[in-house]
Order: sequence, then structure tokens, then C-alpha cells
Amino acid sequence: SYELTQPPSVSVSPGQTARITCSGDALPKQYAYWYQQKPGQAPVLVIYKDSERPSGIPERFSGSSSGTTVTLTISGVQAEDEADYYCQSADSSGTYMFGGGTKLTVL
Amino acid sequence: QVQLVQSGAEVKKPGSSVKVSCKASGGTFSSYTISWVRQAPGQGLEWMGRIIPILGIANYAQKFQGRVTITADKSTSTAYMELSSLRSEDTAVYYCARVIRDGYNNGWFDPWGQGTLVTVSS
Repeated sequence: SYELTQPPSVSVSPGQTARITCSGDALPKQYAYWYQQKPGQAPVLVIYKDSERPSGIPERFSGSSSGTTVTLTISGVQAEDEADYYCQSADSSGTYMFGGGTKLTVL
Repeated sequence: QVQLVQSGAEVKKPGSSVKVSCKASGGTFSSYTISWVRQAPGQGLEWMGRIIPILGIANYAQKFQGRVTITADKSTSTAYMELSSLRSEDTAVYYCARVIRDGYNNGWFDPWGQGTLVTVSS
């Protein structure tokens, strides 16, 4: 079955750039979406259609795509960005799936 | 601005069923797609299924086929997720979310409900 693979954890110091990857065979043909989830809260969309940023999401959040890998980049990381991040996409039949999640730690 | 408000926490016995509601306000409910996603304690997000209220058609993840039923009541702008034959592994927070489709059998989840904790315990 189709899967999306993320690193379990990423750590950066404040002000540095964090990059979180998500790999999957269908990603060249399907958009990817990214969600931020803080403890005890529902997920929040931070990137849609690989690289579009919803209104209200800070400009330091950006997304990119290359082949079977999509990347969420957070430039100038702030303490408030510490959270779990999930990528999401779908297979050709429209079955949605999520990556396993990446815990971003701000040192 | 679309908002989704879910029903409150539930405690259920193994083998029983639970039905969680998700009431929408703002926008046009019938034109949405509503998905259900669950998250076990300390675990990731898991898609369960979706419904298009205007069509009344539901699709389910293979893992939950036969055990989950998703319905929608257009008159009250409310979607429901019923999970049967509950076991301890079903203990999780259950979220509803509106799906905005991207035209490629895919779409993004925005917004999300606040989540409903379902605890399965004898």
C-alpha cells in the first residue's frame, strides 16, 4: 500500500532553518499538504498544493516539491514553531493518507 | 468562516459502538466533503473516511471497512461517524475536517473540529 515517509524528529536552534521532508511514490502526480499540530490541539493547515501558504500563516513557512519528495521549510525558526508536522496526500483512487509525523524541537 | 464543532468525550465498553457528531456553521454544508481522522495517544493521524453530503456518498479507508459508518444530515449541517465493535485500540481522539478538493482525487483538510476523545475500557 502507498505510504508517506517522514523523519521522526528534526531539531534546530532558534533563528535557523528547519527542513522537514516527506517521501512517497505518488507525490510526482499528487499534491502534498502540510499540517502543524501543537500538544492538545487540532492540526492546522500550513501549506497546500505543495507550496501555497494559507492566509494567516507566517511567511517563514514554505513548501517545495522535487520528484518523490516534498519539503516543508521553516526559515528563522521561532520557539512557537515547536510542534508535530504531518504531510498528507492521496493515492490515485482518492484514498487520503498522512505521513507518520515529524517532531520539530527548537533547541 | 467555516467552523466545525464536535460532540463531547465518550467512554465505551469493548464491543459497543460510539457515534460522534460534527456540526458545521458558515459556508454551504451540502457542498462540503467531510472527512474523519483519528489519532491514538502519542501516535500520528489516520484517515478513516469521508462523505459528500450533497450526494450522500461515503467512502472508507480499507482498514475500517465494515466497522465505520459516516453519515450526514443536511437539515442540521451535521456529520456523524459511528464506529462499532470497539476495542481498546480504538481509544483515540477523533477529528472531523472539511476537505477542499484539488481536482486530482486529493484535497486538503481545513478547518478541523476540536476533536472528540473516545476511550474504550472495560
